[in-house]
Amino acid sequence: DAMVIQNPRYQVTQFGKPVTLSCSQTLNHNVMYWYQQKSSQAPKLLFHYYDKDFNNEADTPDNFQSRRPNTSFCFLDIRSPGLGDAAMYLCATSRDVSGDEQFFGPGTRLTVL
Amino acid sequence: QQQVKQSPQSLIVQKGGISIINCAYENTAFDYFPWYQQFPGKGPALLIAIRPDVSEKKEGRFTISFNKSAKQFSLHIMDSQPGDSATYFCAASLLPGKSTFGDGTTLTVKP
Repeated sequence: DAMVIQNPRYQVTQFGKPVTLSCSQTLNHNVMYWYQQKSSQAPKLLFHYYDKDFNNEADTPDNFQSRRPNTSFCFLDIRSPGLGDAAMYLCATSRDVSGDEQFFGPGTRLTVL
Repeated sequence: QQQVKQSPQSLIVQKGGISIINCAYENTAFDYFPWYQQFPGKGPALLIAIRPDVSEKKEGRFTISFNKSAKQFSLHIMDSQPGDSATYFCAASLLPGKSTFGDGTTLTVKP
């Protein structure tokens, strides 16, 4: 089945230790998104790629970076995680940016010790 | 400035009842209004969506009512079931397609 896959599902890291979260999709969608969702809050868009075109949200901290080496994969790099970065990180895709449905992965729960 | 305001924050409904969740938006340029359902530990999943050229859309027990002049839209869940217990997010999308989410409503349907 076509889907959005996130690995790992749970990630524990230490304060300040870089961490990478991965997302892959079999939908062949052009757009991939990364969201941060804290407990009992709405998903907050960090950035999105339209194909290879990277679009950063104005309020996304520099601590967060992303890479999209090909259509199927997208990575979220947190260079120096702080306690406030503990959250669920959601990857999503859409066929295009014209308001199409976004398909979300199951998320990666990040814990920062 | 929050562009999409959602209410209530939490909702408790008896099985078989009607659940109603409301959203209001600011930006009249929004052109796509989806509702997402999220179960604990899962990513959001699209439930139903509407575009501003229609006032209502129904899919099974789920209906979106859309009031363009009031800049409001709502989700109605008919014959609510315990399996509907989840967090519901409304969203509004503006080209180039980024969704702005409401703060979510936690729905509990009691048997």
